[in-house]
Amino acid sequence: QKEVEQNSGPLSVPEGAIASLNCTYSDRGSQSFFWYRQYSGKSPELIMFIYSNGDKEDGRFTAQLNKASQYVSLLIRDSQPSDSATYLCAVNPTNTGGFKTIFGAGTRLFVKA
Amino acid sequence: GAVVSQHPSWVICKSGTSVKIECRSLDFQATTMFWYRQFPKQSLMLMATSNEGSKATYEQGVEKDKFLINHASLTLSTLTVTSAHPEDSSFYICSAAKGQINSYNSPLHFGNGTRLTVT
Repeated sequence: QKEVEQNSGPLSVPEGAIASLNCTYSDRGSQSFFWYRQYSGKSPELIMFIYSNGDKEDGRFTAQLNKASQYVSLLIRDSQPSDSATYLCAVNPTNTGGFKTIFGAGTRLFVKA
Repeated sequence: GAVVSQHPSWVICKSGTSVKIECRSLDFQATTMFWYRQFPKQSLMLMATSNEGSKATYEQGVEKDKFLINHASLTLSTLTVTSAHPEDSSFYICSAAKGQINSYNSPLHFGNGTRLTVT
Protein backbone atom coordinates (compact mmCIF):
# COMPACT_ATOMS: atom_id res chain seq x y z
CA GLN A 1 0.00 0.00 0.00
CA LYS A 2 1.32 3.41 -0.95
CA GLU A 3 1.77 5.84 1.90
CA VAL A 4 -0.26 8.56 0.21
CA GLU A 5 -2.79 7.71 -2.47
CA GLN A 6 -4.60 9.95 -4.89
CA ASN A 7 -6.70 9.36 -7.96
CA SER A 8 -4.49 10.40 -10.85
CA GLY A 9 -7.42 11.75 -12.84
CA PRO A 10 -7.75 13.69 -14.95
CA LEU A 11 -10.62 15.36 -13.19
CA SER A 12 -12.50 17.66 -15.52
CA VAL A 13 -14.94 20.29 -14.25
CA PRO A 14 -16.62 23.24 -15.94
CA GLU A 15 -15.66 26.77 -15.01
CA GLY A 16 -17.51 27.92 -11.91
CA ALA A 17 -18.10 24.42 -10.56
CA ILE A 18 -16.71 22.85 -7.41
CA ALA A 19 -13.69 20.58 -7.86
CA SER A 20 -13.26 17.88 -5.23
CA LEU A 21 -9.87 16.25 -4.80
CA ASN A 22 -9.34 13.32 -2.47
CA CYS A 23 -6.42 11.68 -0.72
CA THR A 24 -5.91 8.79 1.68
CA TYR A 25 -2.85 8.01 3.76
CA SER A 26 -1.57 4.93 5.51
CA ASP A 27 0.20 6.18 8.66
CA ARG A 28 -2.53 6.56 11.25
CA GLY A 29 -0.25 8.64 13.44
CA SER A 30 0.26 11.36 10.81
CA GLN A 31 -0.37 14.83 12.13
CA SER A 32 0.25 17.25 9.29
CA PHE A 33 -1.38 17.35 5.88
CA PHE A 34 -0.70 19.61 2.95
CA TRP A 35 -2.04 20.41 -0.48
CA TYR A 36 0.31 21.66 -3.15
CA ARG A 37 -0.44 22.82 -6.68
CA GLN A 38 2.00 22.08 -9.47
CA TYR A 39 1.77 23.57 -12.92
CA SER A 40 3.39 21.66 -15.74
CA GLY A 41 7.15 22.10 -15.70
CA LYS A 42 7.10 24.04 -12.44
CA SER A 43 7.82 23.19 -8.84
CA PRO A 44 5.01 22.71 -6.31
CA GLU A 45 3.52 25.64 -4.43
CA LEU A 46 1.75 25.34 -1.11
CA ILE A 47 -1.99 25.93 -1.17
CA MET A 48 -3.13 24.85 2.27
CA PHE A 49 -2.18 22.86 5.32
CA ILE A 50 -4.42 21.29 7.91
CA TYR A 51 -3.65 19.64 11.23
CA SER A 52 -6.99 19.13 12.97
CA ASN A 53 -10.08 17.16 12.05
CA GLY A 54 -12.74 19.14 10.27
CA ASP A 55 -12.72 21.86 7.66
CA LYS A 56 -10.32 24.69 7.03
CA GLU A 57 -11.24 27.40 4.57
CA ASP A 58 -8.99 29.85 2.74
CA GLY A 59 -10.65 31.85 0.00
CA ARG A 60 -11.98 29.48 -2.64
CA PHE A 61 -10.18 26.53 -1.09
CA THR A 62 -11.41 24.26 1.70
CA ALA A 63 -9.36 21.44 3.14
CA GLN A 64 -11.15 18.66 4.99
CA LEU A 65 -9.48 16.19 7.31
CA ASN A 66 -10.86 13.00 8.83
CA LYS A 67 -8.15 11.24 10.79
CA ALA A 68 -10.39 8.32 11.74
CA SER A 69 -10.87 7.52 8.07
CA GLN A 70 -7.31 8.60 7.18
CA TYR A 71 -8.76 10.84 4.54
CA VAL A 72 -8.03 14.39 3.48
CA SER A 73 -9.67 16.35 0.69
CA LEU A 74 -9.48 19.68 -1.07
CA LEU A 75 -12.48 21.53 -2.44
CA ILE A 76 -12.05 24.32 -4.95
CA ARG A 77 -15.10 26.51 -5.31
CA ASP A 78 -15.85 28.62 -8.38
CA SER A 79 -13.17 26.76 -10.33
CA GLN A 80 -11.25 28.82 -12.86
CA PRO A 81 -9.26 27.72 -15.92
CA SER A 82 -6.15 28.97 -14.09
CA ASP A 83 -6.79 26.29 -11.47
CA SER A 84 -5.93 23.66 -14.07
CA ALA A 85 -2.87 21.93 -12.63
CA THR A 86 -1.78 18.84 -10.76
CA TYR A 87 -2.71 18.86 -7.09
CA LEU A 88 -0.40 17.01 -4.75
CA CYS A 89 -1.47 15.72 -1.38
CA ALA A 90 1.39 15.52 1.11
CA VAL A 91 1.66 14.04 4.57
CA ASN A 92 4.24 14.20 7.35
CA PRO A 93 4.08 10.69 8.76
CA THR A 94 5.42 9.90 12.19
CA ASN A 95 6.65 6.39 11.43
CA THR A 96 9.74 7.44 9.53
CA GLY A 97 12.06 8.24 12.41
CA GLY A 98 12.38 11.87 11.49
CA PHE A 99 10.92 14.80 9.62
CA LYS A 100 9.85 13.74 6.15
CA THR A 101 7.13 14.81 3.75
CA ILE A 102 5.63 12.12 1.56
CA PHE A 103 3.76 13.08 -1.60
CA GLY A 104 0.97 11.39 -3.43
CA ALA A 105 1.18 10.94 -7.17
CA GLY A 106 -1.12 13.91 -7.72
CA THR A 107 -4.48 14.49 -9.35
CA ARG A 108 -4.62 16.35 -12.64
CA LEU A 109 -7.41 18.89 -12.73
CA PHE A 110 -8.80 20.48 -15.89
CA VAL A 111 -11.19 23.38 -15.61
CA LYS A 112 -13.02 23.93 -18.88
CA ALA A 113 -13.88 27.48 -19.85
CA GLY B 1 6.49 33.95 2.39
CA ALA B 2 9.61 31.88 2.60
CA VAL B 3 11.78 31.98 -0.51
CA VAL B 4 13.97 29.16 -1.74
CA SER B 5 16.19 29.83 -4.73
CA GLN B 6 17.54 27.06 -6.93
CA HIS B 7 20.15 27.34 -9.66
CA PRO B 8 20.48 26.53 -12.50
CA SER B 9 16.91 26.21 -13.71
CA TRP B 10 17.97 23.92 -16.51
CA VAL B 11 21.16 22.24 -17.63
CA ILE B 12 22.23 20.00 -20.47
CA CYS B 13 25.34 17.94 -20.01
CA LYS B 14 27.13 15.10 -21.70
CA SER B 15 27.13 11.60 -20.32
CA GLY B 16 29.94 11.06 -17.84
CA THR B 17 30.20 14.64 -16.66
CA SER B 18 29.13 16.04 -13.29
CA VAL B 19 26.55 18.69 -12.58
CA LYS B 20 26.15 20.80 -9.44
CA ILE B 21 22.79 22.23 -8.39
CA GLU B 22 22.56 24.91 -5.71
CA CYS B 23 19.70 25.53 -3.33
CA ARG B 24 19.53 28.63 -1.14
CA SER B 25 17.08 29.76 1.47
CA LEU B 26 16.93 33.52 0.96
CA ASP B 27 15.00 34.84 3.94
CA PHE B 28 15.38 32.18 6.58
CA GLN B 29 17.92 29.74 7.92
CA ALA B 30 17.38 26.13 7.03
CA THR B 31 19.26 23.57 9.04
CA THR B 32 17.61 20.92 6.94
CA MET B 33 16.87 20.89 3.25
CA PHE B 34 15.36 18.17 1.11
CA TRP B 35 16.15 17.05 -2.40
CA TYR B 36 13.41 15.57 -4.54
CA ARG B 37 13.43 14.12 -8.03
CA GLN B 38 10.45 14.02 -10.34
CA PHE B 39 10.19 12.06 -13.57
CA PRO B 40 7.55 13.04 -16.15
CA LYS B 41 3.98 12.41 -15.00
CA GLN B 42 5.20 11.01 -11.70
CA SER B 43 5.18 12.36 -8.18
CA LEU B 44 8.02 13.84 -6.21
CA MET B 45 10.35 11.23 -4.79
CA LEU B 46 12.49 12.19 -1.84
CA MET B 47 16.12 11.49 -2.60
CA ALA B 48 17.85 12.72 0.53
CA THR B 49 17.68 14.95 3.55
CA SER B 50 20.47 17.47 3.73
CA ASN B 51 21.65 18.43 7.21
CA GLU B 52 23.81 21.48 7.85
CA GLY B 53 27.20 20.48 9.16
CA SER B 54 26.64 16.75 8.96
CA LYS B 55 26.16 13.97 6.45
CA ALA B 56 23.06 13.77 4.36
CA THR B 57 20.52 11.02 4.91
CA TYR B 58 19.72 9.18 1.71
CA GLU B 59 16.54 7.33 0.89
CA GLN B 60 16.63 3.68 0.06
CA GLY B 61 17.79 3.08 -3.48
CA VAL B 62 19.54 6.44 -3.88
CA GLU B 63 23.29 6.12 -4.43
CA LYS B 64 25.08 8.47 -2.08
CA ASP B 65 28.31 8.30 -4.10
CA LYS B 66 26.48 9.35 -7.22
CA PHE B 67 24.38 12.12 -5.71
CA LEU B 68 26.73 14.10 -3.52
CA ILE B 69 25.10 16.50 -1.09
CA ASN B 70 26.89 19.26 0.76
CA HIS B 71 25.14 21.52 3.26
CA ALA B 72 27.95 23.84 4.26
CA SER B 73 25.91 26.70 5.68
CA LEU B 74 22.48 27.43 7.08
CA THR B 75 21.34 28.85 3.75
CA LEU B 76 23.01 26.69 1.11
CA SER B 77 22.79 23.06 0.09
CA THR B 78 24.26 21.64 -3.09
CA LEU B 79 23.51 18.46 -5.00
CA THR B 80 26.15 17.15 -7.39
CA VAL B 81 25.16 14.50 -9.87
CA THR B 82 28.41 12.69 -10.61
CA SER B 83 29.13 10.80 -13.81
CA ALA B 84 25.69 11.62 -15.11
CA HIS B 85 23.93 9.24 -17.46
CA PRO B 86 20.83 9.71 -19.61
CA GLU B 87 18.70 7.89 -17.02
CA ASP B 88 19.57 10.66 -14.55
CA SER B 89 17.68 13.12 -16.72
CA SER B 90 14.91 14.43 -14.49
CA PHE B 91 13.49 17.43 -12.66
CA TYR B 92 15.39 17.98 -9.42
CA ILE B 93 13.73 20.11 -6.78
CA CYS B 94 15.07 21.27 -3.45
CA SER B 95 12.95 22.36 -0.52
CA ALA B 96 13.24 23.62 3.00
CA ALA B 97 10.94 24.03 5.96
CA LYS B 98 10.82 27.32 7.79
CA GLY B 99 10.79 27.01 11.53
CA GLN B 100 11.69 24.22 13.88
CA ILE B 101 12.45 21.20 11.75
CA ASN B 102 11.32 18.91 14.51
CA SER B 103 7.86 20.30 14.15
CA TYR B 104 5.81 17.91 12.10
CA ASN B 105 3.66 20.82 11.12
CA SER B 106 6.22 22.63 8.99
CA PRO B 107 5.19 22.92 5.33
CA LEU B 108 7.85 22.75 2.67
CA HIS B 109 8.84 25.65 0.47
CA PHE B 110 10.25 24.65 -2.87
CA GLY B 111 12.88 26.02 -5.17
CA ASN B 112 11.95 26.45 -8.83
CA GLY B 113 13.59 23.19 -9.76
CA THR B 114 16.39 22.19 -12.13
CA ARG B 115 15.64 20.31 -15.29
CA LEU B 116 18.62 18.11 -16.06
CA THR B 117 19.08 16.57 -19.49
CA VAL B 118 21.98 14.20 -20.00
CA THR B 119 22.86 13.49 -23.61
